[in-house]
Amino acid sequence: EAGVAQSPRYKIIEKRQSVAFWCNPISGHATLYWYQQILGQGPKLLIQFQNNGVVDDSQLPKDRFSAERLKGVDSTLKIQPAKLEDSAVYLCASSSNHYEQYFGPGTRLTVT
Amino acid sequence: GNSVTQMEGPVTLSEEAFLTINCTYTATGYPSLFWYVQYPGEGLQLLLKATKADDKGSNKGFEATYRKETTSFHLEKGSVQVSDSAVYFCALSDPYGGSQGNLIFGKGTKLSVKP
Repeated sequence: EAGVAQSPRYKIIEKRQSVAFWCNPISGHATLYWYQQILGQGPKLLIQFQNNGVVDDSQLPKDRFSAERLKGVDSTLKIQPAKLEDSAVYLCASSSNHYEQYFGPGTRLTVT
Repeated sequence: GNSVTQMEGPVTLSEEAFLTINCTYTATGYPSLFWYVQYPGEGLQLLLKATKADDKGSNKGFEATYRKETTSFHLEKGSVQVSDSAVYFCALSDPYGGSQGNLIFGKGTKLSVKP
């Protein structure tokens, strides 16, 4: 089966600009996650969707980050405006249960 | 709250050496425990898991045993290969501890295996 797809793979923007990342989960997976992985650290959950509803967004900086999951399938994560500290790899994962999450290759964001 | 602590790297070993990467956890409920691996330029892949105390997860020659008494889930491999060079992450999921089953990761341990 196809894995989790993410695009773009790399993005360089200047601070205060906007950026959007796209994720297509594994077919049939109801749960979708966005993680932020800062260099040298483990991934940190930003937001979790169950179908098209938000389950947990407690660690999402809502003043600049937003996410949506259209029709319970694809998802988009947006940052507006970006800050230098947003430089990280943004990982999307999907799951059909609570025990196994499948990760995409990630989008590496550099904010200059 | 829930947390994972794993040994800091980098770890450098010669091929065929024995590997141990320590991982301990703090959890309010009864978590499931995982090891994920991230090869250079790739996304995270699930390496192995254990869902209850005394379970042993194993895959590709790697093993880890869920030790509730010591709150540990150490990763071991008897003979590492150059192809095992990667970053290894210990993680927990605590579906009944109020975190909706989200994964909580350690900081990762970079392993380099020299021929």
